[in-house]
Amino acid sequence: DAGITQSPRYKITETGRQVTLMCHQTWSHSYMFWYRQDLGHGLRLIYYSAAADITDKGEVPDGYVVSRSKTENFPLTLESATRSQTSVYFCASMPGYYNEQFFGPGTRLTVL
Amino acid sequence: GQQVMQIPQYQHVQEGEDFTTYCNSSTTLSNIQWYKQRPGGHPVFLIQLVKSGEVKKQKRLTFQFGEAKKNSSLHITATQTTDVGTYFCAGLEQTGANNLFFGTGTRLTVIP
Repeated sequence: DAGITQSPRYKITETGRQVTLMCHQTWSHSYMFWYRQDLGHGLRLIYYSAAADITDKGEVPDGYVVSRSKTENFPLTLESATRSQTSVYFCASMPGYYNEQFFGPGTRLTVL
Repeated sequence: GQQVMQIPQYQHVQEGEDFTTYCNSSTTLSNIQWYKQRPGGHPVFLIQLVKSGEVKKQKRLTFQFGEAKKNSSLHITATQTTDVGTYFCAGLEQTGANNLFFGTGTRLTVIP
């Protein structure tokens, strides 16, 4: 019973490279979310998805791309990484509207 | 746009003292959720408040939702070292959007 997993847990990359962060949930939750967490900013929503093939921008979507071809997976791609994208990234899922969100363990990304 | 402010940003208390964190939204909320994040961990759901003026208790934790549904508070009675972590509020706008707006969090340190 893995729940919600993220990979990799740690990633170091260089400016300009493409990076994909993976998120997988085993509950078949409808909603999935990507957040970034930075000191002083709390959790900021990057993108979310209400169902497979439905995605929408959050508060800070620039420089990120998402897809959701299957309910259980919600990868986040940084097309050309920048130093300002150094952060801890959390994926979350939610079974339905007005429900709690279940967070993955996070991915710590460093862009050099 | 939607803003959720949380105060204080940091709080140091002696074990046994009480602790309160406050959450204020710039717009009226449909509901508010509270999460706790232990150091190095991921946010974990604590509770959801939906009704105006609602008060809920979980052992030593008391949660309130304001009458105007624009503010909320979390009060911990007689803090313990296990209460250490960052507490986030997260509000869902009444516009019907699917995304939560997280506050910046209050980091609680409990001195034994």
